[in-house]
Amino acid sequence: DAGVTQSPTHLIKTRGQQVTLRCSPISGHKSVSWYQQVLGQGPQFIFQYYEKEERGRGNFPDRFSARQFPNYSSELNVNALLLGDSALYLCASSLATGTLSDEQFFGPGTRLTVL
Amino acid sequence: GDSVTQMEGPVTLSEEAFLTINCTYTATGYPSLFWYVQYPGEGLQLLLKATKADDKGSNKGFEATYRKETTSFHLEKGSVQVSDSAVYFCALPRHGNNRLAFGKGNQVVVIP
Repeated sequence: DAGVTQSPTHLIKTRGQQVTLRCSPISGHKSVSWYQQVLGQGPQFIFQYYEKEERGRGNFPDRFSARQFPNYSSELNVNALLLGDSALYLCASSLATGTLSDEQFFGPGTRLTVL
Repeated sequence: GDSVTQMEGPVTLSEEAFLTINCTYTATGYPSLFWYVQYPGEGLQLLLKATKADDKGSNKGFEATYRKETTSFHLEKGSVQVSDSAVYFCALPRHGNNRLAFGKGNQVVVIP
C-alpha cells in the first residue's frame, strides 16, 4: 500500500512569491495535518483538516492557508514568502480526528528553499 | 501549553554501545507520549509510544518508560547499530493525536 505522498520533493522560490504544496493521504485516512520543520528543530504544527474542514491551526500567520478536497488530499499554500519560510514541510494522515490509538503517518516532506 | 524538552546536542557513539536520549515533559494531566525517528531523507516514523503512566513502550530494541514522578520518557537501547543513525524526536499530543508537539530532536550517529 502506498504511504503518504507529497509533491514536489524540492522547491526553490524567491521572497514575495507564493507556493502550493500537495499531499495525498493513505487510502482510507480522512485527517491530514501539516507541519513545518526548520533545519535543526522539531516539526511545528500548522494545520489539521478532517472531512474538508479545518479542525486546528497552529501559531502561524495568515499567509499560511490550506484546504482539503473531497478525496481527502490536501494543499498547503504560503503567500508572500519570507526567507524564514525555508523549511521541510511535512504532511501526516490518520484515520480520524485524534483518539489515543490514532497514529499519524508522515510523508517524506517537501523541502522549500526561499532565496 | 503542554511541551517536551530533549537534551541538547548530537549523540555520537560506537556500534554496540548503550544509547540514552533524555526527554522530559510539561503537561496538565497525563498525555500519551511518543518517540519518532527520522532517517536521512525520509519522513517521521513512529518508533514507540506509551499511553499512560508507568507504561513501557518498546520497538526494534528501543524502550521508553512513562515516569510521572520525574515527568520523563527517556529513550534507551542496549546495543546500537549503524542503521540506528537517525534523528530522534520526543512528542506529545495537544488537543488530540493529530496535533503533536515535538522536541528539538537529537541526531544520533553510530560509528562502526
